[in-house]
Amino acid sequence: NAGVMQNPRHLVRRRGQEARLRCSPMKGHSHVYWYRQLPEEGLKFMVYLQKENIIDESGMPKERFSAEFPKEGPSILRIQQVVRGDSAAYFCASSPPTGQGNSPLHFGNGTRLTVT
Amino acid sequence: QQQVKQSPQSLIVQKGGISIINCAYENTAFDYFPWYQQFPGKGPALLIAIRPDVSEKKEGRFTISFNKSAKQFSLHIMDSQPGDSATYFCAASGGTYKYIFGTGTRLKVLA
Repeated sequence: NAGVMQNPRHLVRRRGQEARLRCSPMKGHSHVYWYRQLPEEGLKFMVYLQKENIIDESGMPKERFSAEFPKEGPSILRIQQVVRGDSAAYFCASSPPTGQGNSPLHFGNGTRLTVT
Repeated sequence: QQQVKQSPQSLIVQKGGISIINCAYENTAFDYFPWYQQFPGKGPALLIAIRPDVSEKKEGRFTISFNKSAKQFSLHIMDSQPGDSATYFCAASGGTYKYIFGTGTRLKVLA
């Protein structure tokens, strides 16, 4: 019974390159969430997706960031033209399709992005 | 207000002692309050959660105390062990999928 799987675990990119972070939710979960964690800070909501739909992207920067959750395959968080300020741990979480809210979120082990 | 204020930022406790972490919120629409435990290099793991219809919830050595009128809730770790050394995050949500996280408490339990 695999948990939320994220890859890669570590990603190093030079300024201006693209970063692609992947997340496979827990089995039976159809809701995916992306959070960002900066050092010594809590997690900040970025985006909430269901299969083929972006439900809420209010926490995502307007430029350079995008997310998708296709019908087949993992959810992808894409950061174009990365800058040093994008360096952070990016966590994906998933929950079962049990309704509007208050479903426990199950987190992956994150992708640590370093921009040099 | 969407903030959840967490304190202390760091905590050192002797083995066998009680660790207490506090959180406060403003938004009365919040109705679900989970606590997450995070070890270095790992993702947050759900530890225990409470809804405002109860004032206390206990699971093993972990207890959440909830004060609805004061809009505060706290995590108590009884008989703290070195293996409890981790960062603890409180969170709150209000019928939505958006969790608002506190800034975390780094707990160190001395052997």
